[in-house]
Amino acid sequence: DARVTQTPRDKVTEMGQEVTMRCQPILGHNTVFWYRQTMMQGLELLAYFRNRAPLDDSGMPKDRFSAEMPDATLATLKIQPSEPRDSAVYFCASGFGQGISSYNEQFFGPGTRLTVL
Amino acid sequence: AQTVTQSQPEMSVQEAETVTLSCTYDTSESDYYLFWYKQPPSRQMILVIRQEAYKQQNATENRFSVNFQKAAKSFSLKISDSQLGDAAMYFCAYRRGSGTYKYIFGTGTRLKVLA
Repeated sequence: DARVTQTPRDKVTEMGQEVTMRCQPILGHNTVFWYRQTMMQGLELLAYFRNRAPLDDSGMPKDRFSAEMPDATLATLKIQPSEPRDSAVYFCASGFGQGISSYNEQFFGPGTRLTVL
Repeated sequence: AQTVTQSQPEMSVQEAETVTLSCTYDTSESDYYLFWYKQPPSRQMILVIRQEAYKQQNATENRFSVNFQKAAKSFSLKISDSQLGDAAMYFCAYRRGSGTYKYIFGTGTRLKVLA
C-alpha cells in the first residue's frame, strides 16, 4: 500500500528553535509538494520539486524557510528560527508527472501539526 | 490569476440524503483540471473526483458526481446516499493544464452528516 509518509506527526517547539519536517514520497513519484494549512489562509503551496529540483518556491518565506530533496526518497522542510505564526499543519504531497501537461494527481501525506510557543 | 471560491463554509445533510457542495473558479485558461479533495478528521487529504476541462461529460465516482459548467466556471460536487463517513472538509482545487504543477485550493466546506 504505497503512501506518502511524514514525520513527525506532531511537533511542539519554542520560538526560535529550528524545526525540520520530513517527507518520504511514494516510490517512483517525481514531483513533491509542500503545503501549509491554517484556519485563516487555508491550503497554501510553499514549494514544489520535480526530479529533486525546486521548480517553484515562491510561496515560501525565504528568510526562515528552506526546502530540499537530498535524494529521491526524502524531502525536508526546515524553519529556522521558528515563530508562533508558523503554527500550522504542513502537508507533503507527491505525484508522477510525465510532462508539464500531465494530470499528475497529488497524493498527500498525513501532515505534521506544528505548534510554536 | 486563477482563484477558487467555495462559498459554503459549512453544510449539513441527513444520512442517506443527497447534498451538493458548490465551487466556482476564475481562469482565462481553456485547458485545466478540477478536483475535489476530502479531508476527514484524520487530516489525510484524499482525492474524491477529478474533471478534465476538455471533457464535456461530468465525472462520477460511485456516490460522488460533479456538475461541471465550463461557461459558468462552476464545479459542484454531489454526494448521493450520504454516509456518516462522508463527514469531512471538502476542498475544491484547480490546476492549469500546462506550464505548471501548481494546484490552487478553495477554502473548504465542512460537511456534517446527521444520523
